[in-house]
Amino acid sequence: DTAVSQTPKYLVTQMGNDKSIKCEQNLGHDTMYWYKQDSKKFLKIMFSYNNKELIINETVPNRFSPKSPDKAHLNLHINSLELGDSAVYFCASSQDPRWGEAFFGQGTRLTVV
Amino acid sequence: GENVEQHPSTLSVQEGDSAVIKCTYSDSASNYFPWYKQELGKGPQLIIDIRSNVGEKKDQRIAVTLNKTAKHFSLHITETQPEDSAVYFCAASQKTGANNLFFGTGTRLTVIP
Repeated sequence: DTAVSQTPKYLVTQMGNDKSIKCEQNLGHDTMYWYKQDSKKFLKIMFSYNNKELIINETVPNRFSPKSPDKAHLNLHINSLELGDSAVYFCASSQDPRWGEAFFGQGTRLTVV
Repeated sequence: GENVEQHPSTLSVQEGDSAVIKCTYSDSASNYFPWYKQELGKGPQLIIDIRSNVGEKKDQRIAVTLNKTAKHFSLHITETQPEDSAVYFCAASQKTGANNLFFGTGTRLTVIP
């Protein structure tokens, strides 16, 4: 069973479009995250949710809006996509924001053309 | 904020040799230092972590050392095998958990059979 699963795995879209990436974890964790990995493999946190509440919101354009319908899901919606949004987006979860290992999904490679 | 530097960016070793990856961090308040392995097409996976009250930790062929005074920590892999080939990331955090991990830029390790 996949612990953290995100869909789609690949996403190619045109500039200006709106798209969503979905994430689900079946580990019973309270905390979920979105990370962005750029073309140079640099990983940076974007958002962190604990029990459906936003606890970290790094400097991310407000075109990015996370939504957590329940603590097992954290979706990422992106409006008005730009070329610079092309990256691999990773969802992750952990038992608690203060302790515990982060488990990562397999990533969604977003390409904006 | 925290700044984590990682060296080298690429590393090639012969099978059976040892590999060492080094990281430095800037924020003396950081006290949790995990290492992640990312295989091709997959998300990062925790392989070992160390907390600031410990100077060294070992798990089979993998060991991590921490020098808090100098603010650097290292990953040591002994008796390398082809399946160790991957991108390795170090990270630092102020809390012993996944919240707000600051990642290094990654090291692509290639083990030559």
